[in-house]
Amino acid sequence: QKEVEQNSGPLSVPEGAIASLNCTYSDRGSQSFFWYRQYSGKSPELIMFIYSNGDKEDGRFTAQLNKASQYVSLLIRDSQPSDSATYLCAVDMEYGNKLVFGAGTILRVKS
Amino acid sequence: NAGVTQTPKFQVLKTGQSMTLQCAQDMNHNSMYWYRQDPGMGLRLIYYSASEGTTDKGEVPNGYNVSRLNKREFSLRLESAAPSQTSVYFCASSALTGYNSPLHFGNGTRLTVT
Repeated sequence: QKEVEQNSGPLSVPEGAIASLNCTYSDRGSQSFFWYRQYSGKSPELIMFIYSNGDKEDGRFTAQLNKASQYVSLLIRDSQPSDSATYLCAVDMEYGNKLVFGAGTILRVKS
Repeated sequence: NAGVTQTPKFQVLKTGQSMTLQCAQDMNHNSMYWYRQDPGMGLRLIYYSASEGTTDKGEVPNGYNVSRLNKREFSLRLESAAPSQTSVYFCASSALTGYNSPLHFGNGTRLTVT
């Protein structure tokens, strides 16, 4: 089992819809969860991060954690074509001594 | 505010050649990192420096060396390039030591080894 797994996609949603991206992780002790967006040919940029104490909403983005099932989700409301990118999930492991990235999910928002 | 600056942006090497990738950050961050990104494999940590004066191996350190020149600068050296090192390399920094602090990435270096 990979330490951090994401569906590679592409996930296609119509403009204005909710995009739901998921990430599963293997370490039950993980405490920090990060979502990065990466446009083609560009560097990753941080969208949101949450710690194990709760979910977080920031504008159109919501990050939710399900510790029992060991997955973290990123919801994008009112999806826009400019949201089309690869979304990378990153999770800390081994008591914060290691950060593991998933391979990313490609999101395509169709206008 | 430049953030994290990497040079060069593109590089083509022949097998066996050496080169150094440069990285500098102006955010007064303590920790700096070098990652490589390959299709379908996500970002993998090569080396990191938790603070000025320290460096440690990451997941894929073989074939690389690093130098934390000062708090701002962290360089990555390929002593004898191999085709398996063809990749996109990202430098990153974070304010805090440890992996519970967000990373700020540079624009990347696309390296091809022929």
